[in-house]
Amino acid sequence: DQQVKQNSPSLSVQEGRISILNCDYTNSMFDYFLWYKKYPAEGPTFLISISSIKDKNEDGRFTVFLNKSAKHLSLHIVPSQPGDSAVYFCAASAPGGAQKLVFGQGTRLTINP
Amino acid sequence: DAGITQSPRHKVTETGTPVTLRCHQTENHRYMYWYRQDPGHGLRLIHYSYGVKDTDKGEVSDGYSVSRSKTEDFLLTLESATSSQTSVYFCAISEGQSKSRYTFGSGTRLTVV
Repeated sequence: DQQVKQNSPSLSVQEGRISILNCDYTNSMFDYFLWYKKYPAEGPTFLISISSIKDKNEDGRFTVFLNKSAKHLSLHIVPSQPGDSAVYFCAASAPGGAQKLVFGQGTRLTINP
Repeated sequence: DAGITQSPRHKVTETGTPVTLRCHQTENHRYMYWYRQDPGHGLRLIHYSYGVKDTDKGEVSDGYSVSRSKTEDFLLTLESATSSQTSVYFCAISEGQSKSRYTFGSGTRLTVV
């Protein structure tokens, strides 16, 4: 049972345009959501997060939106740059314990010049 | 960046042989995790540790065991490797505080032939 789903395996966007990556979840106990970025042959690195008490969090070119009623979050990157080409993972955790993260399948973003 | 290293970076082994992957941290973080990354599945939790000698299973723990005899080291062992365990393995560390973020190692690419 995939609790966190990224239904788009890949996305191609022109440089300078907006990239929108989507993520859906099924577990209503999740209260913290994160996006990680991964380059080939490297480990994932933290990008941005949002708590369930918020609906938006912004950090420079990156904004994460959370719609709790739809159990949906999205990552907006604007403007998109060639260095943004990577695999993006959505992750979620529930309160308490070891803060285990549940990850989505990932979306490969390609920024075209 | 947090000090976390994985060894080896690459390994090819034969079916039925035991394999041990090592994760070493210099951050004195309480929590350590082992994930595997496979196409179409994203990152899935194998085992995690919440202290020395304290470990628990994740969602894909069958065929794997772990040990943590020191805060800084978390070992993942495949008792008898199978081809289905061919994957990229990532170790992560976390302070374990609420809303904490993971820091990942660079990964170990394991091929079982």
